[in-house]
Amino acid sequence: ETGVTQSPTHLIKTRGQQVTLRCSSQSGHNTVSWYQQALGQGPQFIFQYYREEENGRGNFPPRFSGLQFPNYSSELNVNALELDDSALYLCASSDDRGGYYGGYTFGSGTRLTVV
Amino acid sequence: AQKVTQAQTEISVVEKEDVTLDCVYETRDTTYYLFWYKQPPSGELVFLIRRNSFDEQNEISGRYSWNFQKSTSSFNFTITASQVVDSAVYFCALTGGRAGNMLTFGGGTRLMVKP
Repeated sequence: ETGVTQSPTHLIKTRGQQVTLRCSSQSGHNTVSWYQQALGQGPQFIFQYYREEENGRGNFPPRFSGLQFPNYSSELNVNALELDDSALYLCASSDDRGGYYGGYTFGSGTRLTVV
Repeated sequence: AQKVTQAQTEISVVEKEDVTLDCVYETRDTTYYLFWYKQPPSGELVFLIRRNSFDEQNEISGRYSWNFQKSTSSFNFTITASQVVDSAVYFCALTGGRAGNMLTFGGGTRLMVKP
């Protein structure tokens, strides 16, 4: 399977709720990264998983957590949603080289709105 | 810490004009990688090019060209004979060294090509 697929495409949640975003990585890509992109800004690194273990984390609180599964799928979980969590969440996968050579393959993202 | 600055937030040109997108980066690492990504309205980030810190050779790919200059910490991107389909947000990004596989993005430049 080629490309990265994210679901859902859009989501509206209430402050304080929990949300799970899903990503299906490109086949053979053992590394998956999640990014948060606020409106009008560049993406911010949340964390990365390599072979189902967290392999790096950006400046995000512990209420942002993730999972990576053996079938190249992954999840981003956010607890206790805040209004500032409203953003486009992007999933990116790469092969073992970490995107150094071919770059990362990004999905189209999930647009999360917290009200 | 790594940092990427794209001073041009928005550029508007008429079709067939040439346009250069500026990118300035900061890093203390001697080994690093620079990228350009394109984000069309659909949201996904499309990989355009990667450069490592040891390769200052400029590159041309069709209407696209890149100018990497370590002396000024710049990695500029030029589109020759712009087309309406080039309209998108373009991001410069940096990774490598102590940042591992984390991509640090600039704020992006919105390019509008008018017919």
